[in-house]
Amino acid sequence: DIQMTQSPSSLSASVGDRVTITCRASQNIFSYLNWYQQKPGKAPKLLIYSTSSLQGGVPSRFSGSGSGTDFTLTISSLQPEDFATYYCQQSFSTPRTFGQGTKVEIK
Amino acid sequence: QVQLQESGPGLVKPSETLSLTCTVSGDSINNYYWTWIRQPPGKGLEWIGFIYSSGSTNYNPSLKSRVTISIDTSKSQFSLKLSSVTAPDTAVYYCARQSVNSQKIDSWGQGTLVTVSS
Repeated sequence: DIQMTQSPSSLSASVGDRVTITCRASQNIFSYLNWYQQKPGKAPKLLIYSTSSLQGGVPSRFSGSGSGTDFTLTISSLQPEDFATYYCQQSFSTPRTFGQGTKVEIK
Repeated sequence: QVQLQESGPGLVKPSETLSLTCTVSGDSINNYYWTWIRQPPGKGLEWIGFIYSSGSTNYNPSLKSRVTISIDTSKSQFSLKLSSVTAPDTAVYYCARQSVNSQKIDSWGQGTLVTVSS
């Protein structure tokens, strides 16, 4: 199985801050990397697919980059509705695997 | 706008079989991978497996011996069976849709909590 490791596991930030979350794969997954946002009691929501493609309806303050084994999700200016847990997921091979999550909290 | 809705018992006894159904509405069930994912309380996401609309399946090796995913395209439904459950199988179970081309999971059900307890 491909292991996905996110860092940090949690972070505290203020509204307006630029936030970066990283995700590392245990082997080359090319650009097969997706990002999801999950709020308490809700299903995950797709933000970014194929490393850098913005899912329809997702604000442009979210962006993704990377390739191979190292990937990044960036929120350019954190908004109140962005406080949530973020997961990366590889779609290069099965079993699909997720990172352990990064919880973004209010400072 | 596709919608997915899980249904099934919220409580299952140890050693019994967990059975859930996902009903798809608002779009065709054809030409997608239909996926089950679970999330134990307070923990991360675990991919269980998927089924293509043709009926071909792919399961997580960690669960493969206990999992069966099936599809009924005439009813726009797909189902999960997980046998011999134990307490660690307690989780919120999500059904979801994965596209073929981009491999993204773009639609999710609301999730249903299944508790394994006697």
